Amino acid sequence: KAGVTQTPRYLIKTRGQQVTLSCSPISGHRSVSWYQQTPGQGLQFLFEYFSETQRNKGNFPGRFSGRQFSNSRSEMNVSTLELGDSALYLCASKDRAGVGTQYFGPGTRLTVL
Amino acid sequence: DQQVKQNSPSLSVQEGRISILNCDYTNSMFDYFLWYKKYPAEGPTFLISISSIKDKNEDGRFTVFLNKSAKHLSLHIVPSQPGDSAVYFCAASAGASGGGADGLTFGKGTHLIIQP
Repeated sequence: KAGVTQTPRYLIKTRGQQVTLSCSPISGHRSVSWYQQTPGQGLQFLFEYFSETQRNKGNFPGRFSGRQFSNSRSEMNVSTLELGDSALYLCASKDRAGVGTQYFGPGTRLTVL
Repeated sequence: DQQVKQNSPSLSVQEGRISILNCDYTNSMFDYFLWYKKYPAEGPTFLISISSIKDKNEDGRFTVFLNKSAKHLSLHIVPSQPGDSAVYFCAASAGASGGGADGLTFGKGTHLIIQP
């Protein structure tokens, strides 16, 4: 099976802009989670979608949002970008809601200037 | 407050020897634990997991031990190989008993260096 794919791999934006990142989970996986990785905070959970519904949300401002489509693909949107949003954004999928192993994509490196 | 702690930012081990990576947690609701390996510019790769109903899980060269009373887990790699050099993350989830809080909580990682 193909792994989790994320597009684009690299992105440069300026403060105040918005950005949309895309994630395609492993075939058959219906749960998609998003994480932010920064040098200072490490890997932090953003939110999880399962069957097009947001199940959980981490401690991030409302500028961070997401959605999931009927084919399980997911998008993450960040509005009004700030310098501190520069990070590696990782998507992970698993085959079920509840406990299970999450498989990660390669990430999207976002740089905010 | 860090709920998952990896207190060793780096660890150097000779090739062929055992590598032991440690992880401590504070949240007693955590009931599923995972170890991931990460190379630069790549996403984390799943290595091994353990449920809180077990105290040991083994997969090839990798063994994870869980001590619930001490809220401590460790990853043993035997024998260590040059390709094992990477950053290792410990992660925990309250998914099974937490009513759906399925996001993983990660430690800050340990950089394992395998020396020839």
